[in-house]
Amino acid sequence: SQTIHQWPATLVQPVGSPLSLECTVEGTSNPNLYWYRQAAGRGLQLLFYSVGIGQISSEVPQNLSASRPQDRQFILSSKKLLLSDSGFYLCAWTGTGHTDTQYFGPGTRLTVL
Amino acid sequence: QKEVEQNSGPLSVPEGAIASLNCTYSDRGSQSFFWYRQYSGKSPELIMFIYSNGDKEDGRFTAQLNKASQYVSLLIRDSQPSDSATYLCAVPMEYGNKLVFGAGTILRVKS
Repeated sequence: SQTIHQWPATLVQPVGSPLSLECTVEGTSNPNLYWYRQAAGRGLQLLFYSVGIGQISSEVPQNLSASRPQDRQFILSSKKLLLSDSGFYLCAWTGTGHTDTQYFGPGTRLTVL
Repeated sequence: QKEVEQNSGPLSVPEGAIASLNCTYSDRGSQSFFWYRQYSGKSPELIMFIYSNGDKEDGRFTAQLNKASQYVSLLIRDSQPSDSATYLCAVPMEYGNKLVFGAGTILRVKS
């Protein structure tokens, strides 16, 4: 069966520090991968998605970037965090039964102080 | 740009009652619809998806789709306190295998 992992689970970072969040998927190959952010009490905002290695589409211009160095690995990065980057970061992948069905990882809660 | 609208709630129902959650969407060409449940502090989990007009039942959950009126509903029968969560409706975008999510409806089931 397929499993999606995210780490770290929680993170507290000072303003201006770098960021690296990692997402990996097991049990499938060539998945579509997605990064979302959910601010406190808000809906899901799609940040990036990828249909293959090295292929990244950005949905919202900001100080975040994403990379996909391996088929089942998706990384979210920032060189300098802002207070507004605080939130719940979710990685998702599309299932094999229907390409639109997305399954979410456990998430990373980021607090920028 | 597709839009998905949900009443933010909270919707409060007594234990054992039927909870009815509604979602409207702007793109008349949308073909599939998804319901996710999100407990506080947790990630969304898929409950159901529906492609055809009418009802789809899975245990205590029933999804209802009305393409002519452009709404999709989720009914939860015999509501339990453990059903208290935020319910998200999602519709695929036309291109790119992306989903548009509604802001979610908070459901509170009171024992």
